[in-house]
Amino acid sequence: NAGVTQTPKFQVLKTGQSMTLQCAQDMNHEYMSWYRQDPGMGLRLIHYSVGAGITDQGEVPNGYNVSRSTTEDFPLRLLSAAPSQTSVYFCASSSAGLTEAFFGQGTRLTVV
Amino acid sequence: DQQVKQNSPSLSVQEGRISILNCDYTNSMFDYFLWYKKYPAEGPTFLISISSIKDKNEDGRFTVFLNKSAKHLSLHIVPSQPGDSAVYFCAASVISWGKLQFGAGTQVVVTP
Repeated sequence: NAGVTQTPKFQVLKTGQSMTLQCAQDMNHEYMSWYRQDPGMGLRLIHYSVGAGITDQGEVPNGYNVSRSTTEDFPLRLLSAAPSQTSVYFCASSSAGLTEAFFGQGTRLTVV
Repeated sequence: DQQVKQNSPSLSVQEGRISILNCDYTNSMFDYFLWYKKYPAEGPTFLISISSIKDKNEDGRFTVFLNKSAKHLSLHIVPSQPGDSAVYFCAASVISWGKLQFGAGTQVVVTP
C-alpha cells in the first residue's frame, strides 16, 4: 500500500533553474495539497486541489505552479528557483469531508 | 497572519510522566482539529483529532481537549515514552475546505 509517494527525495538546484516535484497517491483521494516546512514556521500551505481540474492558492503560492489533470497526481512546479525556496516540501492527500491528511515522505530541496 | 499558534517550541518530560502540548487558534470558523507527529526525515503522521462539537477525544495514551470559548486545544500524552520524542504539530480546518492550517510545532523530548 504505497499511500502518498513523492519524488525526488533530495534535489539541489541552481538559482534560476526550474523543476517539478512529483506527488502521486493511490487512495483515490479527492483533496491534495503541497506544504513547505521551514524551521520555526511549521507547515505552510503552497497550493491545494479539491479535485481534478480544480486548484487554488494557499498561504505562500508565489514562485510555484500546480495543475491537477488526474485524481492521482499533483505535481508542483518551481518556475525559477530562488534560495528562499530552500525547504522541505510535503505533499498530502485526503478524502473529501475527512480532514485527516496523509503525507508523503517529503522532498528536501536546496537552491544554491 | 498565523491562525494556529503553538507557543512552546520545545518540551522536555521524563519517561512515565504526562506531556501536555498546547495550541491556540484565532479563526472561529475552524470546526475540526488534528494533531500530527513528525520524526526527522519522515512525513507527518496523523495522531488524533477532535470535532468542534466535542470537548474531549481519547485514543489510548493520547487525549485531546478542546475549549472553544478560549479557542484553545491541548494534547495530553500519558504516560510519555521515549518513542514519543518527535515534533508535534497542531492543525485546524473547516471540513469543507480540503486544506489544513498548521502551527509551528513543538519538539518533545522524553528523557529516561
